[in-house]
Amino acid sequence: QITLKESGPTLVKPTQTLTLTCTFSGFSLRTNGVGVGWIRQPPGKALEWLALIYWDDEKNYSPSLKSRLTITEDTSKNQVVLRMTNMDPVDTATYYCAHMGVGVPTGDYWGQGILVSVSS
Amino acid sequence: QSVLTQPPSASGTPGQRVTISCSGSRPNIGSNFVHWYQQLPGMAPKLLIYRNNQRPSGVPDRFSGSKSGTSASLAISGLRSEDEADYYCAAWDDSLIGVLFGGGTKLAVL
Repeated sequence: QITLKESGPTLVKPTQTLTLTCTFSGFSLRTNGVGVGWIRQPPGKALEWLALIYWDDEKNYSPSLKSRLTITEDTSKNQVVLRMTNMDPVDTATYYCAHMGVGVPTGDYWGQGILVSVSS
Repeated sequence: QSVLTQPPSASGTPGQRVTISCSGSRPNIGSNFVHWYQQLPGMAPKLLIYRNNQRPSGVPDRFSGSKSGTSASLAISGLRSEDEADYYCAAWDDSLIGVLFGGGTKLAVL
């Protein structure tokens, strides 16, 4: 059974760096074709893809946010970490991590999400 | 502004069949699979259709997907009150080298 859970701060101040951790089970990020991605959703708005990391350590980022994002993995802990710099109130959103199965790079299993508010 | 275009809203009465469209372009829908998600209020999105027309285990066959050229559609037959949710299409984009989501369609069951 594949499960994912996001963790991290629920409140950050403007200009701070957000670090979110996705802890997963039921699969290995060393399995050919598998990846873990991050997606966010501002309150009342649509989903927005942020980044993903593949089994072979290939990484892809949203072009509009690429300069602010870093995605890394800790295979020994079954974790993927997303770092977003220079947070702004417009970054207030629910952040989801998701398992990217073979042929489903948009995510086939999703975590419950974590609401992150940006406010001074 | 999403590159995958969906109608912001749709509606139907119980038992009816409704369709939700998703319009894209060659680098995304035209070249890659389309996937659909259902998001119930306050919940995480759930994969409803993958690879254009495949249903994950547990998804009723009332839900079906299709794709033609640079557009795709989600059809829901035998509409039920519990189908009231937001629906999103998504696809990989070869130009973006990343994932695109549609703007979402809010389905109301009247």
